Amino acid sequence: QKEVEQDPGPLSVPEGAIVSLNCTYSNSAFQYFMWYRQYSRKGPELLMYTYSSGNKEDGRFTAQVDKSSKYISLFIRDSQPSDSATYLCAISGRSQGNLIFGKGTKLSVKP
Amino acid sequence: NAGVTQTPKFRVLKTGQSMTLLCAQDMNHEYMYWYRQDPGMGLRLIHYSVGEGTTAKGEVPDGYNVSRLKKQNFLLGLESAAPSQTSVYFCASSPRTGGTGELFFGEGSRLTVL
Repeated sequence: QKEVEQDPGPLSVPEGAIVSLNCTYSNSAFQYFMWYRQYSRKGPELLMYTYSSGNKEDGRFTAQVDKSSKYISLFIRDSQPSDSATYLCAISGRSQGNLIFGKGTKLSVKP
Repeated sequence: NAGVTQTPKFRVLKTGQSMTLLCAQDMNHEYMYWYRQDPGMGLRLIHYSVGEGTTAKGEVPDGYNVSRLKKQNFLLGLESAAPSQTSVYFCASSPRTGGTGELFFGEGSRLTVL
């Protein structure tokens, strides 16, 4: 079992839809959870960061961590065509550990 | 604001040729990383550095060498390129490692090995 599993999609939704992106992980020691966004032919950039369990909201984006299920989610409300990108989850077990990335989910938001 | 700059952005090599990818960051970050990104494989860590003069192996280090002679630069070398090294290479830097340190990525270097 890989340490981080992420459905690669692609996922296509109409503008205004609520998008749910998910990752599962195998090691309960992971404590730091991040979502990166990568536009086509660009490098990834940090979108959201959460520590341990719970929710974190930033505008139209909500990151959710359920450590009991080893499940992390990113919700996008009122999705826009500019949200079309690949979204990568990333996790780390400790403050001094390297990040482990999911394979990324490609999202397309149609006008 | 330059951030992380990678050169070259594109390169085509023949099998057996050598080349060096250069990464430069102007944020005074201690940590630097080289990743490769392949379809269906996600981002995989090749080598990383926790400071000037130090390097360490990541998940897929075979066939690559690195050097960090200056804090702002991290070089990735391919001594004898193979078609399996066709990929998009990303350099990243961070003020800290792990979950508390955001990674800042360059725009990538697309390498094709024929």
